[in-house]
Order: sequence, then C-alpha cells, then structure tokens
Amino acid sequence: KAGVTQTPRYLIKTRGQQVTLSCSPISGHRSVSWYQQTPGQGLQFLFEYFSETQRNKGNFPGRFSGRQFSNSRSEMNVSTLELGDSALYLCASSFRTENTEAFFGQGTRLTVV
Amino acid sequence: DQQVKQNSPSLSVQEGRISILNCDYTNSMFDYFLWYKKYPAEGPTFLISISSIKDKNEDGRFTVFLNKSAKHLSLHIVPSQPGDSAVYFCAAKGGFQKLVFGTGTRLLVSP
Repeated sequence: KAGVTQTPRYLIKTRGQQVTLSCSPISGHRSVSWYQQTPGQGLQFLFEYFSETQRNKGNFPGRFSGRQFSNSRSEMNVSTLELGDSALYLCASSFRTENTEAFFGQGTRLTVV
Repeated sequence: DQQVKQNSPSLSVQEGRISILNCDYTNSMFDYFLWYKKYPAEGPTFLISISSIKDKNEDGRFTVFLNKSAKHLSLHIVPSQPGDSAVYFCAAKGGFQKLVFGTGTRLLVSP
C-alpha cells in the first residue's frame, strides 16, 4: 500500500511569490491535514479536510489556503510568500477524523529567499 | 496556549537501558493520544497510540502509559537502541478536533 506522497520535495521561491504544494493520501483515506514545522517549533496545524470540506483550521493568516479534491488529494497554497514561511510542510492522511492514526508524508521543504 | 507539553527538550540514554519520554496535556476533552518519531527532513512516523479508555498500550519495545487524572502520558522504550535516536512527538486529539502536537523531545541513544 503506497504511503502519503507529497510533491515537490524541495522548493525555492522568492518573497512575494505564491506556491502550491500537493499531497496524495493513502488509498482509502479521506482525511488530509497539513502542518508547518519550523526550527525549534513543534508541528503547527494549518488545516484539515475531510471529503472535500475543511473541518478544522489553525491560526495562520489568510495567505495560507487549501482544498481537497473528490479523489481525496489535497493542495495547499501560500500567497505573497514571506521569509518566515520557510519551513517543512507536512501532510498527513487518516481514514477518518476521529480516534485514528494519522500517517505523514515526507514533507515539502520550502525555502523563501 | 500549549495544550500538549513535552517539557524535556532532550534525553540521553545508554543502549540497552530504558528510555522514558514524558508528555503533559491540559485539555480534558482529549481522548486519543499518539506518539510519533521523526528523523531530520522526514515526516513523522507513527509509533503507538492509546485511547482514553485504557491506561496502557504495548507494542514490542514501545509501551505508552496514560494517567488521565494527572493528564500525563509517557512512552517507554525498552531496550533502547541507537536507531531509536530521533525526535519524539506526543500528540493528542479530542473527537473531531485537530491533532495537537507537543514540541518534541530529542532522544539520543549512545552505544
């Protein structure tokens, strides 16, 4: 069974640009969550989607947005990039939203210069 | 507001001994708890979980203990191996709410 796939693995962008990250969940999983990890920080929750609906949202500015498609694949978009957006962005999928393990992808390392 | 706390940023243990990683939480609505292991530049790997209806769950060398009255859980690794060296994250969830992570504890197991 294939794991969670995130693309691209690495990305370098310039301040002010926008970026789209992609996540393909484990087959059969309908919940996808996104997290940001920066040096010295834990995993900061961005948002969670289940069956194309945003179920939960973290405390990030509106520049961060996401969506989920009917095949459960998800994309995350960050507009007007800032230097502080440089981080490892992680996607996790789970079968459902409650009382179940979430499985993570390898992450996308975003560097904003 | 840090709802899940891992107060020890690092822990050093000798190979073969027990590693005990601790986690405290404040939200009494949390009813499902997980531990993840993470290597640099990789996504976290799920290790073990426990529901609030239990106080112990075991999987091979890994055992998680939950003390609901103290809002405390711990992960025991016995025996510890050098390959266990990584950052360990505790996470908690309540119903349909988001999974909340602690800041992690870096475990170093020396030969």
